[in-house]
Amino acid sequence: DQQVKQNSPSLSVQEGRISILNCDYTNSMFDYFLWYKKYPAEGPTFLISISSIKDKNEDGRFTVFLNKSAKHLSLHIVPSQPGDSAVYFCAALEGTGNQFYFGTGTSLTVIP
Amino acid sequence: DSGVTQTPKHLITATGQRVTLRCSPRSGDLSVYWYQQSLDQGLQFLIQYYNGEERAKGNILERFSAQQFPDLHSELNLSSLELGDSALYFCASSIGGSLNTIYFGEGSWLTVV
Repeated sequence: DQQVKQNSPSLSVQEGRISILNCDYTNSMFDYFLWYKKYPAEGPTFLISISSIKDKNEDGRFTVFLNKSAKHLSLHIVPSQPGDSAVYFCAALEGTGNQFYFGTGTSLTVIP
Repeated sequence: DSGVTQTPKHLITATGQRVTLRCSPRSGDLSVYWYQQSLDQGLQFLIQYYNGEERAKGNILERFSAQQFPDLHSELNLSSLELGDSALYFCASSIGGSLNTIYFGEGSWLTVV
């Protein structure tokens, strides 16, 4: 049972434009959400996170939005750069369980 | 560098064999997680340990087992290997508790031939 879903396996964006990666979840007990970036043959690296008490968190070019009522979060990258080309995973954490649930990833390609 | 160390980085072995993957978590982290990533697949959660105790179990096959030692390093044992076990195995660690972040190692590439 996939509790965290990334329904878009891939996304292509022109350099300089906005990239929007989406993630949906089903468990209303999730209270912490994270985004990871993964290059081929490397481990995922932490990008940005958001607590369920917030609806937006920003770090440089990266902003994560959380819509709890829709059980949806998104990652915005502005402006997109070729180096952003990678697979992006969203993850959710239920505080009591300490288990991280990952989506299946979205492969972002930023076209120069 | 995430601070999570995995060995070996690459491993080629034959079907039916047994291998052990090792993970050293970040200093101070009590939780260790194991994930499997096969070709074109997402990150499949295998198992989690917290301070030596099994905390959560995911899609881990009975042929696989893991443990976390008193020094907090962890080992993932894969036995009776099949071709389909070829994958990238990631270890990750976190402090534990709520609102914490999980940090991944570089992974161990296992190829079963």
